[in-house]
This record gives sequence, structure tokens and C-alpha cells, in this order.
Amino acid sequence: AQTVTQSQPEMSVQEAETVTLSCTYDTSESNYYLFWYKQPPSRQMILVIRQEAYKQQNATENRFSVNFQKAAKSFSLKISDSQLGDTAMYFCAFMGNAGNMLTFGGGTRLMVKP
Amino acid sequence: ETGVTQSPTHLIKTRGQQVTLRCSSQSGHNTVSWYQQALGQGPQFIFQYYREEENGRGNFPPRFSGLQFPNYSSELNVNALELDDSALYLCASSLAGLAAQETQYFGPGTRLLVL
Repeated sequence: AQTVTQSQPEMSVQEAETVTLSCTYDTSESNYYLFWYKQPPSRQMILVIRQEAYKQQNATENRFSVNFQKAAKSFSLKISDSQLGDTAMYFCAFMGNAGNMLTFGGGTRLMVKP
Repeated sequence: ETGVTQSPTHLIKTRGQQVTLRCSSQSGHNTVSWYQQALGQGPQFIFQYYREEENGRGNFPPRFSGLQFPNYSSELNVNALELDDSALYLCASSLAGLAAQETQYFGPGTRLLVL
């Protein structure tokens, strides 16, 4: 079974600065996808970014980028130019070969301070 | 384009009762997955429905059951409610199928409280 670990329960960052959230995972599969989701206080889980394991290039979406280290099974999220609206819980998630389920980490609560 | 919707937003039930939660998938999506998120934790996969059939199940007892309708909407039913069933229930839809790894898009969730 796959496991996803987020070792930082809480983090804070000043507005306009850069922050990196960590995620490690364990799997024996070779073909998988990794995701970062954001869950603000409104509760709705919002997709931030997605990475296909077969792609060597790190995914980027505007201010959000990942550092995908396949051999180390590490998938960190970098948020540049942090904004107050980035305050939320961030979840790292894994989708394996079956393609039918997401395995989530425990989450990191990010607070962006003015 | 219509996103994923869920009803109701909040629900209070008594231990031993039964509950039905509803989900409408995003337009164009044919697959629905359900997750349980306990307070302060990440979501846990309950099951997925594709073409009205269950397509994978997590570690949840049989009293958790579901349906998918021809219009791809879905229901989650929980029988014999227990206090530990209190959680946020999330529905996610995707344009997927058997063994297709597609992004899942989430609804706003239903908060269930069991007293």
C-alpha cells in the first residue's frame, strides 16, 4: 500500500516571500501521478498542481512549482510571492496504477502573514 | 461549466440512524469518488463509481454503500451510524474509467455530525 507523509504540520510565511512544503511517499509502482491540493477554510479541496511520474520536468503553475525527486520519492511544493489568499491546508496526494483513488498525506497548515 | 456540487452542506444525525449524501459530478465527467475527512486529517478513500458500478473500495465496512445514476450523479449511504462517522464527506468527479489516471475535482463537502 502507498503512504504519503507530510512532516510539517504547520508553517508560516510573510506575504511576498517564498515557502516550500515537503512531501514524501512510498510506493513500488512505476507509473503514478502526484498532486498538491489546497483546502481553505471554506473546505473545498482545490487542485494546485499535478505531476506525472514519467515526466522529468517539474510542473509549474504560475506562482506554484514542484521539486519532484523520483529516486528519493520526494515531491515538495514551492509557493513564490506568497499572498494572503494562499492561507490554507495543503495536502499532497498520490494516485497509482489503478487510477481510482487518491492517497493523501496528513496536510500542512500554511499561514501567510501580512 | 458546472462544478461538483454536494447536498446537504450540513447534517446532524443520531447514532444508529441512516444517512444519504448526494453528489452531482462536474459536467462532462463520468466517474465519482467519495472520501471521508475526519477533523484535522487528510481525506480517506471510501469508494469510486464508474458506469454505475463500484470501481475500487477503501478500508470501509459494508454499511458504507453507494450508487451512481445514468446522469453520473451519485449517492453515499451510511447505515447504523456511529459516533466516529462524524466527518466531512467529500465527493470528487473525473473524466476517467478503468485504470485511467485522471485528475479528481472536488465538491464543497457535506459535514456530518453524529450524536
